[in-house]
Amino acid sequence: DAGVIQSPRHEVTEMGQEVTLRCKPISGHNSLFWYRQTMMRGLELLIYFNNNVPIDDSGMPEDRFSAKMPNASFSTLKIQPSEPRDSAVYFCASRIEGGSGNEQYFGPGTRLTVT
Amino acid sequence: LAKTTQPISMDSYEGQEVNITCSHNNIATNDYITWYQQFPSQGPRFIIQGYKTKVTNEVASLFIPADRKSSTLSLPRVSLSDTAVYYCLVGEYHMDTGRRALTFGSGTRLQVQP
Repeated sequence: DAGVIQSPRHEVTEMGQEVTLRCKPISGHNSLFWYRQTMMRGLELLIYFNNNVPIDDSGMPEDRFSAKMPNASFSTLKIQPSEPRDSAVYFCASRIEGGSGNEQYFGPGTRLTVT
Repeated sequence: LAKTTQPISMDSYEGQEVNITCSHNNIATNDYITWYQQFPSQGPRFIIQGYKTKVTNEVASLFIPADRKSSTLSLPRVSLSDTAVYYCLVGEYHMDTGRRALTFGSGTRLQVQP
Protein backbone atom coordinates (compact mmCIF):
# COMPACT_ATOMS: atom_id res chain seq x y z
CA ASP A 1 0.00 0.00 0.00
CA ALA A 2 1.31 3.44 -0.92
CA GLY A 3 -0.05 5.04 2.22
CA VAL A 4 -1.82 8.38 2.28
CA ILE A 5 -0.87 10.43 -0.76
CA GLN A 6 -0.86 14.22 -0.75
CA SER A 7 -0.20 16.66 -3.53
CA PRO A 8 1.48 18.95 -4.11
CA ARG A 9 4.29 18.47 -1.59
CA HIS A 10 5.19 22.14 -1.77
CA GLU A 11 3.14 25.12 -2.86
CA VAL A 12 4.22 28.72 -3.07
CA THR A 13 1.59 31.26 -4.00
CA GLU A 14 0.83 34.92 -3.73
CA MET A 15 -1.68 36.42 -1.38
CA GLY A 16 -5.16 36.42 -2.85
CA GLN A 17 -4.67 33.36 -5.01
CA GLU A 18 -6.72 30.19 -4.69
CA VAL A 19 -4.93 27.13 -3.35
CA THR A 20 -6.14 23.54 -3.63
CA LEU A 21 -4.55 20.73 -1.66
CA ARG A 22 -5.29 17.12 -2.54
CA CYS A 23 -5.38 13.88 -0.61
CA LYS A 24 -5.86 10.23 -1.45
CA PRO A 25 -6.53 8.14 1.67
CA ILE A 26 -5.48 4.55 2.18
CA SER A 27 -7.80 2.20 0.33
CA GLY A 28 -10.46 0.81 2.64
CA HIS A 29 -10.19 3.60 5.18
CA ASN A 30 -13.50 5.37 5.71
CA SER A 31 -12.43 8.37 7.79
CA LEU A 32 -10.30 11.23 6.56
CA PHE A 33 -8.80 14.12 8.51
CA TRP A 34 -7.23 17.42 7.51
CA TYR A 35 -4.73 19.01 9.93
CA ARG A 36 -2.67 22.17 9.89
CA GLN A 37 0.71 22.42 11.63
CA THR A 38 2.47 25.65 12.55
CA MET A 39 5.16 26.51 15.05
CA MET A 40 2.81 28.78 16.95
CA ARG A 41 -0.29 26.60 17.12
CA GLY A 42 1.07 23.07 16.70
CA LEU A 43 -1.13 20.43 15.11
CA GLU A 44 -4.76 21.51 14.67
CA LEU A 45 -7.62 19.45 13.35
CA LEU A 46 -9.44 21.38 10.63
CA ILE A 47 -12.12 18.93 9.54
CA TYR A 48 -12.83 15.26 9.38
CA PHE A 49 -15.04 13.12 7.17
CA ASN A 50 -16.64 9.76 7.83
CA ASN A 51 -17.90 7.84 4.80
CA ASN A 52 -17.36 10.99 2.69
CA VAL A 53 -19.60 13.11 4.95
CA PRO A 54 -18.15 16.01 6.96
CA ILE A 55 -18.61 15.20 10.64
CA ASP A 56 -16.78 17.99 12.42
CA ASP A 57 -15.61 21.16 10.68
CA SER A 58 -15.35 23.28 13.81
CA GLY A 59 -11.61 23.62 13.29
CA MET A 60 -11.92 25.27 9.89
CA PRO A 61 -10.58 28.75 10.59
CA GLU A 62 -12.95 30.80 8.45
CA ASP A 63 -15.04 30.88 5.32
CA ARG A 64 -11.98 31.12 3.15
CA PHE A 65 -11.36 27.44 3.89
CA SER A 66 -13.49 24.67 2.39
CA ALA A 67 -13.08 20.91 2.13
CA LYS A 68 -14.78 18.30 0.01
CA MET A 69 -14.72 14.55 -0.28
CA PRO A 70 -16.56 13.61 -3.47
CA ASN A 71 -15.72 9.91 -3.11
CA ALA A 72 -13.94 7.49 -0.82
CA SER A 73 -10.59 7.89 -2.54
CA PHE A 74 -10.20 11.65 -2.87
CA SER A 75 -10.46 14.83 -0.83
CA THR A 76 -9.55 18.46 -1.37
CA LEU A 77 -8.86 21.37 0.94
CA LYS A 78 -9.28 24.74 -0.73
CA ILE A 79 -8.25 28.17 0.48
CA GLN A 80 -9.72 31.12 -1.40
CA PRO A 81 -8.37 33.76 -1.16
CA SER A 82 -5.12 32.75 0.50
CA GLU A 83 -3.34 34.96 3.04
CA PRO A 84 0.22 34.92 4.41
CA ARG A 85 -1.06 33.64 7.78
CA ASP A 86 -2.25 30.48 6.03
CA SER A 87 1.38 29.46 5.55
CA ALA A 88 1.76 26.09 7.27
CA VAL A 89 2.16 22.39 6.65
CA TYR A 90 -1.17 20.73 5.90
CA PHE A 91 -1.53 17.04 6.67
CA CYS A 92 -4.14 14.59 5.57
CA ALA A 93 -4.71 11.41 7.58
CA SER A 94 -7.02 8.44 7.26
CA ARG A 95 -8.20 5.55 9.38
CA ILE A 96 -10.84 2.88 9.67
CA GLU A 97 -13.76 4.27 11.62
CA GLY A 98 -15.53 1.88 13.93
CA GLY A 99 -12.43 0.39 15.48
CA SER A 100 -11.14 1.45 18.83
CA GLY A 101 -8.88 4.39 19.38
CA ASN A 102 -7.40 7.04 17.16
CA GLU A 103 -4.78 5.23 15.09
CA GLN A 104 -4.50 7.46 12.08
CA TYR A 105 -2.16 7.19 9.12
CA PHE A 106 -0.70 10.51 8.02
CA GLY A 107 0.44 11.62 4.62
CA PRO A 108 3.74 13.43 4.06
CA GLY A 109 2.07 16.84 4.14
CA THR A 110 1.90 19.85 1.86
CA ARG A 111 4.07 22.79 2.81
CA LEU A 112 2.19 25.94 1.83
CA THR A 113 3.87 29.32 1.62
CA VAL A 114 1.76 32.37 0.90
CA THR A 115 3.73 35.50 0.09
CA LEU B 1 -10.34 26.21 27.70
CA ALA B 2 -9.37 22.56 27.58
CA LYS B 3 -5.73 22.07 26.95
CA THR B 4 -3.54 19.05 26.40
CA THR B 5 -0.08 19.84 27.70
CA GLN B 6 3.33 18.23 27.45
CA PRO B 7 6.88 19.28 28.37
CA ILE B 8 8.44 21.25 25.54
CA SER B 9 11.64 19.25 25.40
CA MET B 10 13.64 16.45 26.98
CA ASP B 11 17.23 15.29 26.67
CA SER B 12 18.51 11.77 27.11
CA TYR B 13 21.43 9.50 26.32
CA GLU B 14 21.47 6.32 24.31
CA GLY B 15 20.38 3.28 26.29
CA GLN B 16 18.36 5.20 28.85
CA GLU B 17 14.64 4.92 29.48
CA VAL B 18 12.63 8.03 28.64
CA ASN B 19 9.23 8.89 30.10
CA ILE B 20 7.11 11.63 28.55
CA THR B 21 3.93 12.73 30.30
CA CYS B 22 0.86 14.34 28.79
CA SER B 23 -1.79 16.12 30.84
CA HIS B 24 -5.37 15.95 29.55
CA ASN B 25 -7.73 17.07 32.30
CA ASN B 26 -10.84 17.18 30.12
CA ILE B 27 -10.50 13.89 28.31
CA ALA B 28 -13.78 12.56 26.95
CA THR B 29 -15.18 9.53 28.74
CA ASN B 30 -14.91 7.03 25.92
CA ASP B 31 -11.79 8.31 24.21
CA TYR B 32 -8.52 6.51 23.83
CA ILE B 33 -5.16 8.14 24.45
CA THR B 34 -2.92 7.90 21.42
CA TRP B 35 0.74 8.79 20.97
CA TYR B 36 2.53 9.75 17.78
CA GLN B 37 6.15 10.30 16.74
CA GLN B 38 7.14 12.90 14.18
CA PHE B 39 10.44 13.33 12.36
CA PRO B 40 11.30 16.54 10.48
CA SER B 41 9.49 16.92 7.16
CA GLN B 42 7.31 13.88 7.81
CA GLY B 43 3.78 13.28 9.02
CA PRO B 44 3.17 11.96 12.54
CA ARG B 45 3.46 8.20 12.93
CA PHE B 46 1.38 6.10 15.35
CA ILE B 47 3.30 4.62 18.29
CA ILE B 48 0.81 3.28 20.84
CA GLN B 49 -2.63 3.83 22.28
CA GLY B 50 -4.57 2.82 25.37
CA TYR B 51 -7.71 3.44 27.36
CA LYS B 52 -6.62 2.69 30.92
CA THR B 53 -3.89 1.04 33.02
CA LYS B 54 -0.91 -0.14 30.99
CA VAL B 55 -0.34 -1.04 27.38
CA THR B 56 2.90 -2.36 25.91
CA ASN B 57 3.96 -3.04 22.34
CA GLU B 58 7.27 -3.72 20.65
CA VAL B 59 8.42 -0.09 20.78
CA ALA B 60 6.87 1.53 23.86
CA SER B 61 4.70 1.31 26.94
CA LEU B 62 1.85 3.57 27.91
CA PHE B 63 0.83 4.13 31.51
CA ILE B 64 -2.59 5.60 32.30
CA PRO B 65 -3.74 6.30 35.87
CA ALA B 66 -7.25 5.50 37.01
CA ASP B 67 -8.53 9.07 36.58
CA ARG B 68 -7.16 9.17 32.99
CA LYS B 69 -6.27 12.84 33.32
CA SER B 70 -2.71 12.13 32.28
CA SER B 71 -0.67 9.50 30.49
CA THR B 72 3.00 8.60 30.28
CA LEU B 73 4.75 7.31 27.22
CA SER B 74 7.76 5.17 28.14
CA LEU B 75 10.52 4.48 25.61
CA PRO B 76 12.92 1.79 26.83
CA ARG B 77 16.60 2.06 25.96
CA VAL B 78 16.40 4.94 23.48
CA SER B 79 18.75 5.23 20.53
CA LEU B 80 19.81 8.18 18.39
CA SER B 81 17.06 7.35 15.92
CA ASP B 82 14.44 8.06 18.60
CA THR B 83 15.27 11.77 18.37
CA ALA B 84 11.93 13.23 17.29
CA VAL B 85 8.88 15.12 18.51
CA TYR B 86 6.30 13.08 20.42
CA TYR B 87 2.63 14.03 20.58
CA CYS B 88 -0.32 12.76 22.56
CA LEU B 89 -3.78 12.86 21.00
CA VAL B 90 -7.03 12.71 22.94
CA GLY B 91 -10.65 13.63 22.52
CA GLU B 92 -11.42 16.47 24.88
CA TYR B 93 -14.60 18.15 26.02
CA HIS B 94 -14.43 21.87 25.34
CA MET B 95 -16.54 23.64 27.94
CA ASP B 96 -16.94 26.75 25.84
CA THR B 97 -18.58 24.84 23.00
CA GLY B 98 -19.89 21.79 24.85
CA ARG B 99 -18.39 19.65 22.14
CA ARG B 100 -15.82 16.92 22.00
CA ALA B 101 -12.82 17.71 19.82
CA LEU B 102 -9.75 15.72 18.88
CA THR B 103 -6.81 17.61 20.34
CA PHE B 104 -3.10 17.08 19.89
CA GLY B 105 -0.76 17.96 22.72
CA SER B 106 1.83 20.65 22.18
CA GLY B 107 4.52 18.08 21.49
CA THR B 108 7.73 17.09 23.32
CA ARG B 109 11.01 17.37 21.45
CA LEU B 110 13.25 14.48 22.53
CA GLN B 111 16.95 14.78 21.85
CA VAL B 112 18.98 11.60 22.31
CA GLN B 113 22.71 12.03 22.61
CA PRO B 114 25.45 9.41 22.23
